[in-house]
Amino acid sequence: DIQMTQSPSSLSASVGDRVTITCRASQTISMYLNWYQQKPGKAPKLLIYAASRLQSGVPSRFSGAGSGTEFTLTISSLQPEDFATYFCQQSYSTMLSFGPGTIVDMK
Amino acid sequence: QVQLVESGGGVVQPGGSLRLSCAASGFISNNYGIHWVRQAPGKGLEWVAFIRLPVNDKYYGDSAKGRFTISKDSSKNTLYLQMSNLKSEDTAVYYCAKDHQVLAGVFAMDYWGQGALVTVSS
Repeated sequence: DIQMTQSPSSLSASVGDRVTITCRASQTISMYLNWYQQKPGKAPKLLIYAASRLQSGVPSRFSGAGSGTEFTLTISSLQPEDFATYFCQQSYSTMLSFGPGTIVDMK
Repeated sequence: QVQLVESGGGVVQPGGSLRLSCAASGFISNNYGIHWVRQAPGKGLEWVAFIRLPVNDKYYGDSAKGRFTISKDSSKNTLYLQMSNLKSEDTAVYYCAKDHQVLAGVFAMDYWGQGALVTVSS
């Protein structure tokens, strides 16, 4: 099974900050990496698919990069509505798996 | 618009069974795969199962193998997750989610239901 890790597990930031979250896979997953945002009590929302492709309707301040085993999600200028938990998910294997999540909260 | 509505959650005793339903609308549900993903209270996301349509291939996570079955009733545009031999660690909110199906092999979930709470307790 492919194990996913994320760093940091949580971070505190201010509106306007540039935020970067890292996701690592236990083996190469090419570009089969997706990112989700989840707010408390809500279902997750797809932000980025195939490592760097922005899902329709998602603001352009979100971007994804990486391939192989290391990936990043960057929020170029954090907005109030971006405080949430972010998860990565691999689909290289048909045994899909999520990372443990990164909580982005207000400094 | 695309809508997924889960139902069938509730309280069940350890060892018991439960069937979750996911009613799909707003898209040709026979052409898109559907995932089940769960989230234990205060925990992260865990992928449970996936039915790949229209080929009807089925895939399961380790926690679901041998106990859960994913299926689809095409006549009702409804997906199911039949769960048996339930354990306390199966307690979670269960989401159904539509597969993005934009790029081959990129199994991403672009629309989600609101979730159904399953509590396994005596």
